[in-house]
Amino acid sequence: DIRMTQSPSSLSTSVGDRVTITCQASQDIRNYLNWYQQKPGKAPNLLIYDASNLETGVPSRFSGSGSGTDFTFTISSLQPEDIATYYCQQYNNLPITFGQGTRLEIK
Amino acid sequence: EVQLVESGGGLVQPGGSLRLTCVASGFRFRSSAMSWVRQTPGKGLEWVSSISGSGDLTHYADSVKGRFTISRDTSKNTLYLQMNSLRASDTAVYYCAKDPRSSSWGVFDGWGLGTLVTVSS
Repeated sequence: DIRMTQSPSSLSTSVGDRVTITCQASQDIRNYLNWYQQKPGKAPNLLIYDASNLETGVPSRFSGSGSGTDFTFTISSLQPEDIATYYCQQYNNLPITFGQGTRLEIK
Repeated sequence: EVQLVESGGGLVQPGGSLRLTCVASGFRFRSSAMSWVRQTPGKGLEWVSSISGSGDLTHYADSVKGRFTISRDTSKNTLYLQMNSLRASDTAVYYCAKDPRSSSWGVFDGWGLGTLVTVSS
């Protein structure tokens, strides 16, 4: 199974901050990497697919980059509604696997 | 608007069975591969199973292979997960999720609200 390692596990941030989360795959997954946002009590919501493509309707402050084993997710200017947990997920190989999540908190 | 509504969760004893149902609307059901993904506080998000739009291809996580069966009824826009020989480790919120493509899976662009399965004596 491909292991997805996210960093950091949690992050204390302020509104307006630039937020960066990294995700490392245990083997090459090309660009088959997605990013999801999950708010408490809600289902995950797709933000970025295929490493860098913004899902329809998702604000442009969210972006993703990378290929192979190293990926980055960025929020250019954190808004209050962005407080959530973020997950990366690979689908290059079965089983599909997720990172452990990065929880954003307000300072 | 895409809607996925799961049902069928509940409390079941170890070794018991449950069938989860996910009713889909707002998109061409037969054109979308569908999956089940579960979530526990301790283990995070875990992919469980996927089925192609036509229903002829299925895949399972090793942790559920031989115990769970995924199926779909296109005439009813409904996805199922038959869960047998349930274990405490199957306790989780189960989400159904859609893929924008028919015969590949892994981009979950729509999710249900989830249904809680608790396996305990």
